[in-house]
Amino acid sequence: LAKTTQPISMDSYEGQEVNITCSHNNIATNDYITWYQQFPSQGPRFIIQGYKTKVTNEVASLFIPADRKSSTLSLPRVSLSDTAVYYCLVGGGSQGNLIFGKGTKLSVKP
Amino acid sequence: EPEVTQTPSHQVTQMGQEVILRCVPISNHLYFYWYRQILGQKVEFLVSFYNNEISEKSEIFDDQFSVERPDGSNFTLKIRSTKLEDSAMYFCASRPGLAGVSYEQYFGPGTRLTVT
Repeated sequence: LAKTTQPISMDSYEGQEVNITCSHNNIATNDYITWYQQFPSQGPRFIIQGYKTKVTNEVASLFIPADRKSSTLSLPRVSLSDTAVYYCLVGGGSQGNLIFGKGTKLSVKP
Repeated sequence: EPEVTQTPSHQVTQMGQEVILRCVPISNHLYFYWYRQILGQKVEFLVSFYNNEISEKSEIFDDQFSVERPDGSNFTLKIRSTKLEDSAMYFCASRPGLAGVSYEQYFGPGTRLTVT
């Protein structure tokens, strides 16, 4: 499974756009890139998934360059409630097992 | 919106005791998972279950652990003889298994297991 590297923590202010970059140099051809969000004492929650280029949903955008060795999760106009840990995951295996890294702890301040 | 439910929300047990953690996955989902998260640490994969059998398990999932889908709705994780280091939050998750690739898993709220 491809290893991912992302910043341990990030700070932002309400209303700002936040971009969290994840590097995954050893991504395989059939790997997808998936981002999850986790609030304290809650289970992870799926945010977005992509294979290449750009994916956008009602919550976030995911930018994946042509070489797919990195990806950037973009959260537009964050609010205090976006304070959470964000995980970048690559692959999933034939059964879809998720291998979590340490994630990025995003703190949004007023 | 359908959701994964887990019971109990908090379980306290003594070392050496058996515990059963219960989960009700989303009804039309085909893949089921257990994960755990020790306080302050990352989420760790334990086991995946499909078509009434274990499809993959991690090194953590040793002989003390077992899973079962006793009926059409429940999915259980049993720890036969708990150890102090089993104290963690245990998450159940499920996935539809639709055609095509999707790693969108739906997680339950978790069961906090405290072994004393």
